[in-house]
Amino acid sequence: GEDVEQSLFLSVREGDSSVINCTYTDSSSTYLYWYKQEPGAGLQLLTYIFSNMDMKQDQRLTVLLNKKDKHLSLRIADTQTGDSAIYFCAESPDGSSNTGKLIFGQGTTLQVKP
Amino acid sequence: DGGITQSPKYLFRKEGQNVTLSCEQNLNHDAMYWYRQDPGQGLRLIYYSQIVNDFQKGDIAEGYSVSREKKESFPLTVTSAQKNPTAFYLCASSPRTRGQETQYFGPGTRLLVL
Repeated sequence: GEDVEQSLFLSVREGDSSVINCTYTDSSSTYLYWYKQEPGAGLQLLTYIFSNMDMKQDQRLTVLLNKKDKHLSLRIADTQTGDSAIYFCAESPDGSSNTGKLIFGQGTTLQVKP
Repeated sequence: DGGITQSPKYLFRKEGQNVTLSCEQNLNHDAMYWYRQDPGQGLRLIYYSQIVNDFQKGDIAEGYSVSREKKESFPLTVTSAQKNPTAFYLCASSPRTRGQETQYFGPGTRLLVL
């Protein structure tokens, strides 16, 4: 079935790089997403990658996609205390059926220590 | 100023009571979604609608109902049949253009049972 797995917690020091990992199961997913959730708030779209890409860079964010291993990662360079949040990975598993559903991982809590 | 609004921010429900959570968007998006988030867990899909006057059950629809009479609005009713309604409820919308399923989220409603 469809499933997205993430590690639950990551702690880094301010200024270091953070790498959040995600594995997914549906090889027909066309897009993969990273969302950020601050306490008590909704989800903010950070970035997404199309399945025919290996890498996407957007300022401090780098997304790497390994389709063979169904592995997605989000690297945050020069991590700041404002990056402390929960990060969700999501896949769009429908392929040709195209219902628009997303499957979310359980979220990785990133703690940034000063 | 385009976006998705949810109201109220906090909602209290008494035993045996139905309550309705509001979700409105002015992004001209066709698709809208309701998710439930429990502490330490990912998002689970309750209902979704791809077009006005049409909606489908998600993974945890029991005890919930929705309507989609207008493109801009997708209210969620938590009925008395939902025995464990305490959670954070998130509404999202998506343009569904050219197969891209990016979803944009509202700020959420926290439902508590008295």
